[in-house]
Amino acid sequence: EAGVAQSPRYKIIEKRQSVAFWCNPISGHATLYWYQQILGQGPKLLIQFQNNGVVDDSQLPKDRFSAERLKGVDSTLKIQPAKLEDSAVYLCASSLGPAKAFFGQGTRLTVV
Amino acid sequence: GNSVTQMEGPVTLSEEAFLTINCTYTATGYPSLFWYVQYPGEGLQLLLKATKADDKGSNKGFEATYRKETTSFHLEKGSVQVSDSAVYFCALTRDQAGTALIFGKGTTLSVSS
Repeated sequence: EAGVAQSPRYKIIEKRQSVAFWCNPISGHATLYWYQQILGQGPKLLIQFQNNGVVDDSQLPKDRFSAERLKGVDSTLKIQPAKLEDSAVYLCASSLGPAKAFFGQGTRLTVV
Repeated sequence: GNSVTQMEGPVTLSEEAFLTINCTYTATGYPSLFWYVQYPGEGLQLLLKATKADDKGSNKGFEATYRKETTSFHLEKGSVQVSDSAVYFCALTRDQAGTALIFGKGTTLSVSS
């Protein structure tokens, strides 16, 4: 079974630039999550989708972050403009139900 | 809201030593509890889970018991191996109905031969 695919694996940008990350969940998984993992901390939920609808985006900094999941499959997360404190690993995960979420390898973003 | 606290690392052990990584939680209702592991260069993987009080999750020799009376979910292994070296995260569901997770800060385990 193919896992959760994310790209790119690494990205370096200057502050105030924009960046986008892509996620392809496991086939058939209706729920998709984006987490932010800052170095030395555990992942923090940014947004949760159920099919193509948003379930929870309460921790998404909406002034600069946006996410979409068109057609209920792939998802993109965008940051515009980026700040230094956005440097982190951005993890995508998907699940069929509450029991088990599968995580991608993440995109490591460095903002300089 | 729900939260989780796990012991700070790093934890350094010799092969075949006994491992305990403490995890305590604060929650409304009855969350599900999880341990995830992140091996060097790899993504987060579910190690084990428990969905109700007194449940014991187990996998690869690791165990953790959902203790409602002490609000704890400590991870244990009787005899660690070098290949167990990784970062371990305790997590719980954000709320009663949800599936999104709240993670602890992670504990780095280093096992030497």
